Amino acid sequence: AQTVTQSQPEMSVQEAETVTLSCTYDTSESDYYLFWYKQPPSRQMILVIRQEAYKQQNATENRFSVNFQKAAKSFSLKISDSQLGDAAMYFCAYRSDSNYQLIWGAGTKLIIKP
Amino acid sequence: NAGVTQTPKFRILKIGQSMTLQCAQDMNHNYMYWYRQDPGMGLKLIYYSVGAGITDKGEVPNGYNVSRSTTEDFPLRLELAAPSQTSVYFCASSPALYNSPLHFGNGTRLTVT
Repeated sequence: AQTVTQSQPEMSVQEAETVTLSCTYDTSESDYYLFWYKQPPSRQMILVIRQEAYKQQNATENRFSVNFQKAAKSFSLKISDSQLGDAAMYFCAYRSDSNYQLIWGAGTKLIIKP
Repeated sequence: NAGVTQTPKFRILKIGQSMTLQCAQDMNHNYMYWYRQDPGMGLKLIYYSVGAGITDKGEVPNGYNVSRSTTEDFPLRLELAAPSQTSVYFCASSPALYNSPLHFGNGTRLTVT
């Protein structure tokens, strides 16, 4: 069965600095999709970035980028120029190409220090 | 531009009571989902629907029921509330089943005492 592991329950970073959140997953599939979702105190889950496993190029969305290492089954999220509004829980999620289910990690709480 | 709307935002139930969590989306998405989020955990899928009249069980369906009479609405029913159902419940929708991000509602915090 597929699993997603986020080994950092909590991370903190100084405003304007860069932080990397870790995510590893276990799968025997070759085609799949990976997502990072953000959950601010308002509770709503917001898609931050996604990566298709068949794409070698790492996805980027403005200040957010990923380091996708398929062989290592690693999918880390880098946030550059951290802002106070980035404070939230961040969840890594996996979905195979043959299964509707999203498999979620336990989340990492990101604290931004002003 | 409402997206996915969930009601209520908060609810306290006594053991054995019943309630329905409402979910509506205005994006004409065929696919809708109910998740629960327990403290310190990721989301677990309760039920999902691929279109009006079609529903199926997810990972943790016991104690819940759903219906999908229209494309827009996907209510979740708790028949006999138990303390183990204390959680935050999220409804989500997507235009496709696989490679498609989910659009989430703001969640319902349910406490069963």
